[in-house]
Amino acid sequence: DQQVKQNSPSLSVQEGRISILNCDYTNSMFDYFLWYKKYPAEGPTFLISISSIKDKNEDGRFTVFLNKSAKHLSLHIVPSQPGDSAVYFCAASFAGSGSARQLTFGSGTQLTVLP
Amino acid sequence: DVKVTQSSRYLVKRTGEKVFLECVQDMDHENMFWYRQDPGLGLRLIYFSYDVKMKEKGDIPEGYSVSREKKERFSLILESASTNQTSMYLCASSPDQSSPLHFGNGTRLTVT
Repeated sequence: DQQVKQNSPSLSVQEGRISILNCDYTNSMFDYFLWYKKYPAEGPTFLISISSIKDKNEDGRFTVFLNKSAKHLSLHIVPSQPGDSAVYFCAASFAGSGSARQLTFGSGTQLTVLP
Repeated sequence: DVKVTQSSRYLVKRTGEKVFLECVQDMDHENMFWYRQDPGLGLRLIYFSYDVKMKEKGDIPEGYSVSREKKERFSLILESASTNQTSMYLCASSPDQSSPLHFGNGTRLTVT
């Protein structure tokens, strides 16, 4: 059973408009959430994160919103640019054994920004 | 800048072969991870290590083993490759619990 779900496999938006990517989770123990971006033939790169003590975190054009009661987070990209076209993975974690947090990833959403 | 290097971009192996996937990081990170990425399933954790010679199973360890003899190197071993292990394999590292993972560019493994 997938604990982190991205129900939209793909999303297309026009350049300059807002992109909203969604993610749902089921495990109440998750206390740290991240978004990664992945271009073809490259590894995922970290984009933005949020702790469960916050409901919003902003970094330039990227904002992540967390709704703990709904177990839902979203990534907003404003304005969207063609270079944002990539697969976006949502990930969640909680403090595990030793010193390593285990990340649980969603299945990804392919974002295409049309010029 | 952190560099995580995976030794091969593409590998083709036969069923039953023993396969080694190598990963090296250059930032003295404590934690290293092996994931596989499959369409519709995202990234799934195979094994991770939080110290030299230490290893822990992730969500899908069956059919795999790992080795971490030196801090900078984390190897994934497929003891007897099977076709269902055809996948993109991603190595990652992190310095501590609160830092994001840094990923390598992946190894596309095909088992025929």
